[in-house]
Amino acid sequence: GESVGLHLPTLSVQEGDNSIINCAYSNSASDYFIWYKQESGKGPQFIIDIRSNMDKRQGQRVTVLLNKTVKHLSLQIAATQPGDSAVYFCAEPPPGGSNYKLTFGKGTLLTVNP
Amino acid sequence: DVKVTQSSRYLVKRTGEKVFLECVQDMDHENMFWYRQDPGLGLRLIYFSYDVKMKEKGDIPEGYSVSREKKERFSLILESASTNQTSMYLCASQGAGTGGDEQYFGPGTRLTVT
Repeated sequence: GESVGLHLPTLSVQEGDNSIINCAYSNSASDYFIWYKQESGKGPQFIIDIRSNMDKRQGQRVTVLLNKTVKHLSLQIAATQPGDSAVYFCAEPPPGGSNYKLTFGKGTLLTVNP
Repeated sequence: DVKVTQSSRYLVKRTGEKVFLECVQDMDHENMFWYRQDPGLGLRLIYFSYDVKMKEKGDIPEGYSVSREKKERFSLILESASTNQTSMYLCASQGAGTGGDEQYFGPGTRLTVT
């Protein structure tokens, strides 16, 4: 079946640096992607989403890039802060199907060192 | 803001006990979900509901049942708890129709079955 995966399970950065978290997907028909942040002991929080008709979408200190050619998306966090320490994972609904069933990646643990 | 609440943050139950996990959302969302989250396995869908009294099995429904008598409330039931059901349980809600497909998560219930 189709799956959403992550390249790096852990990422450690210095406070103030930029962070890049990657996600690969296997279904070329996928048309919508979501990034979630999950802090320790909490439920996942929606960060940002992107549709396949876009290559880039920016939020507050976060940017998601979508490369449909290589089926890869990334989450960039500018000026990473200690509060950004969390597990980040991407998710996608089945393309052309029900929008409610999301497939989640396993997650990348981001640690920000002061 | 969407608010999804879960009845307990931590629960400890004995093998064979009946366990109820409750979830309430305040955004009039049609869709509600129950996941479990385990290290290395990510989020796995147990059951979801797209309307009152409607439910569908997710990827791992065995050993669980659900109830949705009111739109805002979705309950997960473990008829006879077993140690392999020790996990973090996450509830989510999602609005149907137009707009984003993101799911909004509750804080989670960490269940330990001894």
